[in-house]
Amino acid sequence: SYDLTQPPSVSVSPGQTASITCSGDELGNKYVCWYQQKPGQSPVLVMFQDTKRPSGIPARISGSNSGNTATLTISGAQPMDEADYYCQAWDSSTGVFGGGTRLTVL
Amino acid sequence: QITLKESGPTLVKPTQTLTLTCTFSGFSLSTSGVGVGWIRQPPGKALEWLALIYWNDDKRYSPSLKSRLTITKDTSKNQVVLTMTNMDPVDTATYYCAHTFGVVPPGANPNTWFDPWGQGTLVTVSS
Repeated sequence: SYDLTQPPSVSVSPGQTASITCSGDELGNKYVCWYQQKPGQSPVLVMFQDTKRPSGIPARISGSNSGNTATLTISGAQPMDEADYYCQAWDSSTGVFGGGTRLTVL
Repeated sequence: QITLKESGPTLVKPTQTLTLTCTFSGFSLSTSGVGVGWIRQPPGKALEWLALIYWNDDKRYSPSLKSRLTITKDTSKNQVVLTMTNMDPVDTATYYCAHTFGVVPPGANPNTWFDPWGQGTLVTVSS
């Protein structure tokens, strides 16, 4: 089975840049999307096709994907960005989620 | 505006079959490129992809759960139903359905994403 690996946690100070990675074999050859989940809420799409933002997602959130690693970057992190983030890709026609990263802004 | 809502039992006994219904509005499952997926999340744990059905009845299943899952659609009722057999306490989770849209090459990796998601329904497996 295909695995996506994320760091369990990332911490950042307000106003600084947070980078959340997602690693998988030849991940750069697949499209990756990212979901944000706040406590008690359903996940929300924040990035698709590696680098595209859905409407309503601020431009300070960006994505990249190359080699074996996809990265979600949050510039000028704000307390409202504190959440769990999950990457997701497709392999062998089925979906795969990463283990999730808890972003702490403090 | 697209909305989805999951419904079904909140408590099932071990070995029983779980049947969940996703009722949606704001889109049609007869539109090319459209699909509905199911994802679950055990308490305090990560998301797990379960199954997905597309407008053309193309169905995809998690390899690890494929033998236990069945996904069907009722286009006229705007509903997608997921059944999971032989439930076990480890299947205790919040189950979400979500809308998806994009390019779906037959038998190949889809270029789709889940947006939006339903509110989720917590299913507890216990005797």
